Amino acid sequence: SAVISQKPSRDICQRGTSLTIQCQVDSQVTMMFWYRQQPGQSLTLIATANQGSEATYESGFVIDKFPISRPNLTFSTLTVSNMSPEDSSIYLCSVERGGREGEAFFGQGTRLTVV
Amino acid sequence: GESVGLHLPTLSVQEGDNSIINCAYSNSASDYFIWYKQESGKGPQFIIDIRSNMDKRQGQRVTVLLNKTVKHLSLQIAATQPGDSAVYFCAENRGSGNTGKLIFGQGTTLQVKP
Repeated sequence: SAVISQKPSRDICQRGTSLTIQCQVDSQVTMMFWYRQQPGQSLTLIATANQGSEATYESGFVIDKFPISRPNLTFSTLTVSNMSPEDSSIYLCSVERGGREGEAFFGQGTRLTVV
Repeated sequence: GESVGLHLPTLSVQEGDNSIINCAYSNSASDYFIWYKQESGKGPQFIIDIRSNMDKRQGQRVTVLLNKTVKHLSLQIAATQPGDSAVYFCAENRGSGNTGKLIFGQGTTLQVKP
């Protein structure tokens, strides 16, 4: 199974600031995915990050608010920009299991609180 | 609208009993389904998956059943243990080709009573 590390694991941020979340995978993967999990709720896909191209965003999410970088096959960042309390959530990255369909793996998540 | 949903938000079972967690989906184009377990403070953990060309798949202590006629998915956990206490999510892939691109249901909290 893939090992996915996210940093930071949690943070408390002031409104109006930005936070960049890092996701590191221990093996090369084509696709990386960013999800948001609002308090007590399910996961919602934010965007798909493919190395060497612009991220593809889901309805309701825009690049200006959630810019994503994917500089190589093992790393991605998600920035939450100009934060408001409504951005308080857990942000998770995931990857497809390399070379095999199924078994999308998740990192432990970044718990963000905006005050 | 299109959604993946769960019938019950909380399920409480006695240790040793079998648990059944249900999930309904609405998009007939969905061809791949996954069950995840999420413990407090952790990311979702893969449990078992099933493709639309199957109606049953078994793992260790878990079985997933898929009824495409009524668009229903269930997760059965045999001999439920306290360590099974968590939130369980079903997720579907709507034929996008990327199995990591998932639509999640709302989750069922499983509580195991000793």
